[in-house]
Amino acid sequence: QVQLVESGGGVVQPGGSLRLSCAASGFTFSNFGMHWVRQAPGKGLECVAFIRYDGKNTYHGDSVKGRFTISRDNAKNILYLQMNSLRAEDTAVYYCAKSFNPFFDYDAFDIWGQGAMVTVS
Amino acid sequence: EIVMTQSPATLSVSPGERVTLSCRASQSINRNLAWYQQKPGQAPRLLIYGASTRATGSPGRFSGSGSGTEFSLTISSLQSEDFAVYYCQQYNNWPPKTFGQGTKVEIK
Repeated sequence: QVQLVESGGGVVQPGGSLRLSCAASGFTFSNFGMHWVRQAPGKGLECVAFIRYDGKNTYHGDSVKGRFTISRDNAKNILYLQMNSLRAEDTAVYYCAKSFNPFFDYDAFDIWGQGAMVTVS
Repeated sequence: EIVMTQSPATLSVSPGERVTLSCRASQSINRNLAWYQQKPGQAPRLLIYGASTRATGSPGRFSGSGSGTEFSLTISSLQSEDFAVYYCQQYNNWPPKTFGQGTKVEIK
């Protein structure tokens, strides 16, 4: 079945780095835009990064710009989020999410991973 | 950036009741709006997209309506499994695809 599985979360000191991975299965990964969405404890949802299906276009939210980098390996069906210069306010559950339609990004997110907890302390 | 505002923040309702949640966009987003349900400790789940189209597996008691800047999600007869937080999201003008702050539906 269609599935996204995140890994790489953990506890890191302020200023440290972490890389999240999201392994995709059950669909043609290389045809879909992918997103990272985070949720701080007890708070709402925030889109932090997007990457086009072919990796040729990316977006990073203002709160993470210059510190986080989204990338993908379409041969391995894996999405990444490299997080550097981490701050306490980056503490959150990080979800990867899939765009609904192939080759089209004006779209909702139809599949979400289970989330990876990142604690900066 | 488009701001999405949901109301109310919390709804206290009894099982079997009809519930309507509201979502307002700071500018027109046509019908490019989705609704998600999130239960504690779980990832969000897509319920509605295109303002009114139910996602696969979304029960028929969920319906969405609206266009432009005003949207609503209605649950026709609340079931025990529907107690959760509901988020709206616009994907018309992006990046970013902004979410509302959520409405918590709790047991009265």
